[in-house]
Amino acid sequence: GENVEQHPSTLSVQEGDSAVIKCTYSDSASNYFPWYKQELGKRPQLIIDIRSNVGEKKDQRIAVTLNKTAKHFSLHITETQPEDSAVYFCAASNDFGNEKLTFGTGTRLTIIP
Amino acid sequence: EAGVAQSPRYKIIEKRQSVAFWCNPISGHATLYWYQQILGQGPKLLIQFQNNGVVDDSQLPKDRFSAERLKGVDSTLKIQPAKLEDSAVYLCASSLYRSGRTGGYEQYFGPGTRLTVT
Repeated sequence: GENVEQHPSTLSVQEGDSAVIKCTYSDSASNYFPWYKQELGKRPQLIIDIRSNVGEKKDQRIAVTLNKTAKHFSLHITETQPEDSAVYFCAASNDFGNEKLTFGTGTRLTIIP
Repeated sequence: EAGVAQSPRYKIIEKRQSVAFWCNPISGHATLYWYQQILGQGPKLLIQFQNNGVVDDSQLPKDRFSAERLKGVDSTLKIQPAKLEDSAVYLCASSLYRSGRTGGYEQYFGPGTRLTVT
């Protein structure tokens, strides 16, 4: 089955700086890679996703890059703000399978004002 | 649109007792998922339904966990008997089913049920 590794487990950045979270996956058949944000005590919410036919996707201050050859993908947050503080999870799945999501272990991001 | 509903939000039970969780997915969503999220970890899929059929239950501890989705809408997850290590948040999620390359899908999560087993 799929295995997703995520690094770092914790990350602190100054407000206004950029944050990068990296994930690797093991199953070369995976073709869908979402990122979820989970604030303390709340449900995970999708913030951005990317498919394997695209190398990069951007949405305002958030971007995701995908390297299929190396089987890794990254989340980039620019101009960080205090409300970006949360736990971020990457995930991977195969749309041509049963769409089962395998999640990474999470990164706790803290934005220092 | 209304989100995924779950109840109860919190439950405290003693080990060896039984407990049941309920989930009502977003209207029209054919796929329903139950996840277990242990503190400090990512969600782990327990079972996935497509309408009222099971698609994947490979990580469901079948000796104590059971789930059903009657009529392809609401779902219940039951634990009997509970163990200390079952303490976790149980998340229900739903998504539209879109096959092949034609579109993506987003899993919408409910607020979860926080289970504490003492």
